[in-house]
Amino acid sequence: AQSVTQLGSHVSVSEGALVLLRCNYSSSVPPYLFWYVQYPNQGLQLLLKYTSAATLVKGINDFEAEFKKSETSFHLTKPSAHMSDAAEYFCAVTSSGGYQKVTFGTGTKLQVIP
Amino acid sequence: DAMVIQNPRYQVTQFGKPVTLSCSQTLNHNVMYWYQQKSSQAPKLLFHYYDKDFNNEADTPDNFQSRRPNTSFCFLDIRSPGLGDAAMYLCATSRGGGTSTDTQYFGPGTRLTVL
Repeated sequence: AQSVTQLGSHVSVSEGALVLLRCNYSSSVPPYLFWYVQYPNQGLQLLLKYTSAATLVKGINDFEAEFKKSETSFHLTKPSAHMSDAAEYFCAVTSSGGYQKVTFGTGTKLQVIP
Repeated sequence: DAMVIQNPRYQVTQFGKPVTLSCSQTLNHNVMYWYQQKSSQAPKLLFHYYDKDFNNEADTPDNFQSRRPNTSFCFLDIRSPGLGDAAMYLCATSRGGGTSTDTQYFGPGTRLTVL
């Protein structure tokens, strides 16, 4: 079975500060990892995904994440937070198979303070 | 733009009164998923269709059913909604195939209120 753990259900940063959202995974096989963002009363939007091609993955809106096998981590970062980044962020992992069954973490709500 | 559309965005129903939520897609994807997301929780997969093949998650209550009459449309039927079924319901699609890196595209969700 595969799972992800997101450390911190709420994170607050000042506008312009570094954003760091933590995700650790558990997998018996090489994982495929994703970060999704959800704005209030909206669906989920894919920020980025790790597919084993490169350990540093760049996504939309200047977000990036680094896959670290030794630490079983896939933390999400952004150099400078904007007010518009306030949302909930979900880390997710897939299982193998003919379709993509996604297991989501419990989410981290990001608050950006002006 | 190709997209996943959910109607309605907000649905109010009465306890025990059947309700149907709809999802349509213009992506021509093979796989369609229904998730339930309760407040401050992660989305929980209810079931999915791979083409016409229906796949129910083991812990999805019998109260939840789904139909996929064609590639573009998928419906979620809640036969007798209870107060505990109040949630956001998310539809998603993916191309399918043999890869686990297939991306899921989500609709905006339908927020269900049960009175």
